[in-house]
Amino acid sequence: GQNIDQPTEMTATEGAIVQINCTYQTSGFNGLFWYQQHAGEAPTFLSYNVLDGLEEKGRFSSFLSRSKGYSYLLLKELQMKDSASYLCAVNPSNDYKLSFGAGTTVTVRA
Amino acid sequence: DAGVTQSPTHLIKTRGQHVTLRCSPISGHKSVSWYQQVLGQGPQFIFQYYEKEERGRGNFPDRFSARQFPNYSSELNVNALLLGDSALYLCASSGELQETQYFGPGTRLLVL
Repeated sequence: GQNIDQPTEMTATEGAIVQINCTYQTSGFNGLFWYQQHAGEAPTFLSYNVLDGLEEKGRFSSFLSRSKGYSYLLLKELQMKDSASYLCAVNPSNDYKLSFGAGTTVTVRA
Repeated sequence: DAGVTQSPTHLIKTRGQHVTLRCSPISGHKSVSWYQQVLGQGPQFIFQYYEKEERGRGNFPDRFSARQFPNYSSELNVNALLLGDSALYLCASSGELQETQYFGPGTRLLVL
């Protein structure tokens, strides 16, 4: 089976930094996705990590350690529009049948 | 370019009925996957189709079925609806290189 854990909720202030952790235990591993999902909307792609290390895309960065089964999504210079659910998803085999965590709801306060 | 489209956007059914949900992938994408997202949870994989062939099925009962058409659009069918089938049904498409999956807006199904 697949086990993907991430915190349920996080709250931060506008302009601050928040780090969302994701740990996984899966039958295989070919990569890890992060998606953003606003309430009532579809998930939108943020990042895809295949190799260890940090990948930066503007205000968002994603880190992967395959040996530790661990990833994090770093959101910098938080804006109110960043209030959303952030989903961690593992690609267990190279066919993109993704296994998702339950999501982390981030609330940005003024 | 149009993204992934799904229809209908919302649907209300009663227990025992059946439902058909539709998805059109991004132009040029040949792979379509279906996911079920219950409120407060992450999406759960239901089916994946590639070039009209089923490539995988998640842990869902036989009441759930799907197919992909020659134009790569897809339908998800659910028979004998249960209250627990109430969820957001997401369709995602990916291209040849399958760098990522792009999700449609979803169909919100409510079973009463």
